[in-house]
Amino acid sequence: LAKTTQPISMDSYEGQEVNITCSHNNIATNDYITWYQQFPSQGPRFIIQGYKTKVTNEVASLFIPADRKSSTLSLPRVSLSDTAVYYCLPGSTTSGTYKYIFGTGTRLKVLA
Amino acid sequence: ETGVTQTPRHLVMGMTNKKSLKCEQHLGHNAMYWYKQSAKKPLELMFVYNFKEQTENNSVPSRFSPECPNSSHLFLHLHTLQPEDSALYLCASSRGTGEPDTQYFGPGTRLTVL
Repeated sequence: LAKTTQPISMDSYEGQEVNITCSHNNIATNDYITWYQQFPSQGPRFIIQGYKTKVTNEVASLFIPADRKSSTLSLPRVSLSDTAVYYCLPGSTTSGTYKYIFGTGTRLKVLA
Repeated sequence: ETGVTQTPRHLVMGMTNKKSLKCEQHLGHNAMYWYKQSAKKPLELMFVYNFKEQTENNSVPSRFSPECPNSSHLFLHLHTLQPEDSALYLCASSRGTGEPDTQYFGPGTRLTVL
């Protein structure tokens, strides 16, 4: 399973665009990249998933370069309510089960 | 509201107690998961069930005993726990386990072992 490296913490101000980059150098060919968000004392919540190039939904964009060794989650115009921990999750299928391995994530703090 | 509920939300128990955590999903999913999140640590996958059958046990001590009577319900039976077992226990569900399906998490049960 691919090991990830992402910043431990980031600070931003309301209205700014936030980019969180994750490196996953040994990602396997069949691995997808998924990002989750977690607020204190709550379960993680799915944000976005992609395999390559760019994926966009109503809350975020995910950029994955051609070599797929990294990915960048982009949050446009963050607000105070975006303060949370963000997890980059390459997953892969082992023994027939697709698994996510959660790392320590990036703690984003949005300031007024 | 993710469609996954967990009860109780908070639980305090002594080391000699027996208690159970309950998870229910209303999403029509076939796979269910138990995760443990200790303070300052990443989420750890504990068990995976697919169509009521256990497909993964991530070397979890036997004092944690899961039960999945049907695809909508998942239990975690606890007995003779240790203080280091205090953590947030999260349940999740997904359509299946063989593809990169979105996992939907419940709010968790905050467990304190005295």
